Amino acid sequence: SYELTQPPSVSVSPGQTARITCSGDALSKQYAYWYQQKPGQAPVLVIYKDSERPSGIPERFSGSNSGTTVTLTISGVQAEDEADYYCQSADSSGGYGVFGGGTELIVL
Amino acid sequence: EVQLLESGGGLVQPGGSLRLSCAASGFSFSNYAMSWVRQASGKGLQWVSGISGSGDTTYNSDSLKGRFTISRDNSKNTLYLQMNSLRADDTAVYYCAKVGYGSAFLGIDYWGQGTLVTVSS
Repeated sequence: SYELTQPPSVSVSPGQTARITCSGDALSKQYAYWYQQKPGQAPVLVIYKDSERPSGIPERFSGSNSGTTVTLTISGVQAEDEADYYCQSADSSGGYGVFGGGTELIVL
Repeated sequence: EVQLLESGGGLVQPGGSLRLSCAASGFSFSNYAMSWVRQASGKGLQWVSGISGSGDTTYNSDSLKGRFTISRDNSKNTLYLQMNSLRADDTAVYYCAKVGYGSAFLGIDYWGQGTLVTVSS
């Protein structure tokens, strides 16, 4: 079955830029969505359709797509951004959904 | 205010069945696709199933091999997940989720608080 691959963890110092990647063969055909999940809380959508930001999400969150890899970029990382981040997309036919394994963002 | 309230979770023996419900309020239920997502303790998110606003189209995880069935009753503003042939690795918190920023089952903007399903003898 289709899989999305994310790095297990990314570390960054406050004020720096964090980049979290998500790779999958169908990402050139299907949009990607990014969620932030803090411990004990439900996930929050931070990017939709590769690069769009929902209302209320800070401008420091951005997304991009370069074919089979999508990237979530957090500029000027703050301590409050420490969380797990998940990408979500669909298989090439759009028949089912899948989440990436998640990336723990560690703010040093 | 959007509210999604799951119920129906609990302890079930391997091979057993369970039906989860999700009562929705605060939005026009029939206008939105809905999904079920699960998360085992300490693990990542796993997409389970999705359904269109009308209920005419359903989508299921390839890995569940037809054991789970999603449905909805728009007259009752309620989403369901029928789970059969349950296994220990189905143990997880199951979230009801509203799709708001994408299509079918992508772009979830609201999540329920989750209901715990434990499969054990």
